[in-house]
Amino acid sequence: GALVYQYPRRTICKSGTSMRMECQAVGFQATSVAWYRQSPQKTFELIALSTVNSAIKYEQNFTQEKFPISHPNLSFSSMTVLNAYLEDRGLYLCGARETDSNERLFFGHGTKLSVL
Amino acid sequence: QQKVQQSPESLIVPEGGMASLNCTSSDRNVDYFWWYRQHSGKSPKMLMSIFSNGEKEEGRFTVHLNKASLHTSLHIRDSQPSDSALYLCAASHQGGRALIFGTGTTVSVSP
Repeated sequence: GALVYQYPRRTICKSGTSMRMECQAVGFQATSVAWYRQSPQKTFELIALSTVNSAIKYEQNFTQEKFPISHPNLSFSSMTVLNAYLEDRGLYLCGARETDSNERLFFGHGTKLSVL
Repeated sequence: QQKVQQSPESLIVPEGGMASLNCTSSDRNVDYFWWYRQHSGKSPKMLMSIFSNGEKEEGRFTVHLNKASLHTSLHIRDSQPSDSALYLCAASHQGGRALIFGTGTTVSVSP
């Protein structure tokens, strides 16, 4: 079956430092990977959509300078939160799908980011 | 960014009862709707998707879609305590963009 592993599951970083999270697709080819942030209030925000061999598309309020994403192959993607502050707290989820069309997303367990 | 609105925000349903959840998109380019369920501390898992007008049933779950009003609803009959979760509605364009999620409805099924 299709699985998405995401790590670390939890991380704590000091204000102003950066942290990287990774997403691994198993059992399928992750042509598209979408990164989301779920706030402590449970609101889901799309950060960016990354498709292999295409430019990464960031949503309004999210930038490559703050959330650089790497999607080097069909099984791996990573995202870094640079200069993390309190407002960056939340659960970061990667959702991957095999084609660049309307297929279901398979989600990883998420990386819970706490900022001190 | 919040172009997908869900209601109610939370819902308490007696065990065996019916839960009805609503979702509307304000983006007229949306073609596809998805319902995901997220249990506490877990990642979202897709429940059902619907692309055409009408109704779709899978077990105790039924979704309706009205494309003209961009409104979808999810109905859970014979609700079980294991149905207690955050239910997320998502919408996407035909062009294959990422899903935009709604605000979610927290369902609590009381035994």
